[in-house]
Parts: sequence; structure tokens; C-alpha cells
Amino acid sequence: QSVLTQSPSASGTPGQRVTISCSGSNSNIGRNTVNWYQHLPGTAPKLLIYNNNQRPSGVPDRFSGSKSGTSASLAISGLQSEDEADYHCAVWDDSSWVFGGGTKLTVL
Amino acid sequence: QVQLVQSGAEVKKPGASVTVSCKASAYTFTTFYIHWVRQAPGQGLEWMGWINPNGGGAYYAQKFQGRVTMTRDTSITTAYMELNRLRSDDTAVYYCARLIEWEDSSYNMNYWLEPWGQGTLVTVSS
Repeated sequence: QSVLTQSPSASGTPGQRVTISCSGSNSNIGRNTVNWYQHLPGTAPKLLIYNNNQRPSGVPDRFSGSKSGTSASLAISGLQSEDEADYHCAVWDDSSWVFGGGTKLTVL
Repeated sequence: QVQLVQSGAEVKKPGASVTVSCKASAYTFTTFYIHWVRQAPGQGLEWMGWINPNGGGAYYAQKFQGRVTMTRDTSITTAYMELNRLRSDDTAVYYCARLIEWEDSSYNMNYWLEPWGQGTLVTVSS
């Protein structure tokens, strides 16, 4: 029952390009910027993308973000085994954070 | 580097209270809001509220109002989250995170959470 909708799972083989989507509404994604987090079990979520498409220092350019209307996407190119993790989208909804349910990425 | 380090795992009985701490380092503690987020097993992330370390003002998600209290001790750059009247569905990993605010060239405010603490597992079980 997350406010933002993500597919529960995604997969790809090493070297492939995968896309993870995040769907919201005019009150969240439609009005504010989207952030993406990479989350490995037992660790702190790591900021991957902020302001829809900006990468923090140290995040490889294999990771890219985009937004259109009330949806956003995270693309990972040149997939690597260490990319296997959960990915969460997040938006500041003017008074609260709303998140997607998370997408578990499996590298086959 | 900027870091948030949380207290260790807790096991509590239903009806009890739990306090999770979040110690900040390598930045001016009072400059950035601290937010609390939790993740129950198999669920997504859920926002709980924030505290402004500069003054101590706090704001809670409606779901947790009346049960949660967020405080801070600026002398030891630590934020706290206390959750009362614990239930089994409060079993979750609790995270603190620093809020970054940035105004773009169009005067729009943008926000993100960075960094996050390592998480504290709170298990509620009889």
C-alpha cells in the first residue's frame, strides 16, 4: 500500500540495461523531484539519484534517472553483479516523504 | 565523512516503549533536519516524521501521532525517536536520515535524504 508504485522485481544479465519505474500522481511526482535509493539488506539506503536525474559524487554514470509527468524511471546500464539490490523511489510530498514499495533487482 | 550511527537492535514486548538513537558526526548538527523512516519485513519504506535539531521542533506523520516522540541532544549531536505502546506490527528496521534542502535556479525547493543511518531492528514479540 505504498503511495508510489514500483514493480516488485526486475532482472537482467551482466552487461544488460534495465529500467525500474515509479508511478505516482499529480500531488507527488507531478509536482516535486524524485530521488532513488539503492538498498542492500542490513545496510543504510544509499542515495543514487536526486532531483530526478542528478548523481551524487561517486555514483557511476551507469545509473541515470528521468521523470515525465507523474512517472519516473531509473536506468542501469552495463549491469554488474554488485547492482543486485533493492531500489526505492522517493518524493517529498510537501509535508511528508512518500516512497515506492521497492524493486528487487536480480542479476542473473 | 558525514555519518549517522544508530543504536543497536532491540527486542520489546507489546505495550512497551523503545528509544532509538542516531548520532551525527562530521557536520553541524543543528543545520539539518533529521527524518525517521521505517521498513517492516517485506514492506516498503514508511516515513514517520522529522525533528529540527535547531530548537527541537518536530512533526509527525498522522499515523504515529500520539505514539511517537522525536527529541535531540545537541551537546552530543544525537537525535532520538521514542515509540510507545508497541504492537507486533511495529516490528521493523528504523532509520534516521539527514534532510538536504536545495533551491534551484527557478527558486524551487528540492529535497533529498542523505546520508542514512545503518538502521536499528526493533522486534516486538511476546
